[in-house]
Amino acid sequence: AQSVAQPEDQVNVAEGNPLTVKCTYSVSGNPYLFWYVQYPNRGLQFLLKYITGDNLVKGSYGFEAEFNKSQTSFHLKKPSALVSDSALYFCAAHYGGFKTIFGAGTRLFVKA
Amino acid sequence: DAGVIQSPRHEVTEMGQEVTLRCKPISGHDYLFWYRQTMMRGLELLIYFNNNVPIDDSGMPEDRFSAKMPNASFSTLKIQPSEPRDSAVYFCASSKDRGNEQFFGPGTRLTVL
Repeated sequence: AQSVAQPEDQVNVAEGNPLTVKCTYSVSGNPYLFWYVQYPNRGLQFLLKYITGDNLVKGSYGFEAEFNKSQTSFHLKKPSALVSDSALYFCAAHYGGFKTIFGAGTRLFVKA
Repeated sequence: DAGVIQSPRHEVTEMGQEVTLRCKPISGHDYLFWYRQTMMRGLELLIYFNNNVPIDDSGMPEDRFSAKMPNASFSTLKIQPSEPRDSAVYFCASSKDRGNEQFFGPGTRLTVL
């Protein structure tokens, strides 16, 4: 079965420190990979995507993600966390026609 | 563009009643998606449309759920009859194509008593 795993329910980091939110996938073919962020009582917002090319992709608000095909991972990173980055983060894979599967989400807490 | 518009934002109804959720996608987007989000099951894709045609409804939980897209600017998700386990936040999203991100609406929080 196709799946996207976010192994951490929650990540805690101090403001100014680097952050990593992990994502691994088990999806057939060459999926397109995405990261989205959800703030309370809001819909998901796109951060960045990987389709092909450079394994390091840069996105909105200073976020970046590293694609690793051998480890089937697509970890989200940011060099210096802000309190305002506190939110729920989702990794997603598009495969097949337009099937989309989301990870369970990781809640990020950034402490001032 | 106003983004993806959903209505109502909140819906409280009683078990057995019919519920209709509405969505207006972003103009020019050929794909429309309906999702359900719950604490227990996370974010689930229910159905998606391409050019107003339903392509994959394998995520629709049961026959009580139905979705239509009569034109490029409007879609509905209907639950009839509703049950308490249908309580969730329902999101509509649209996209230009497979390689592009999905734009989500603000969601409809449904509570079935």
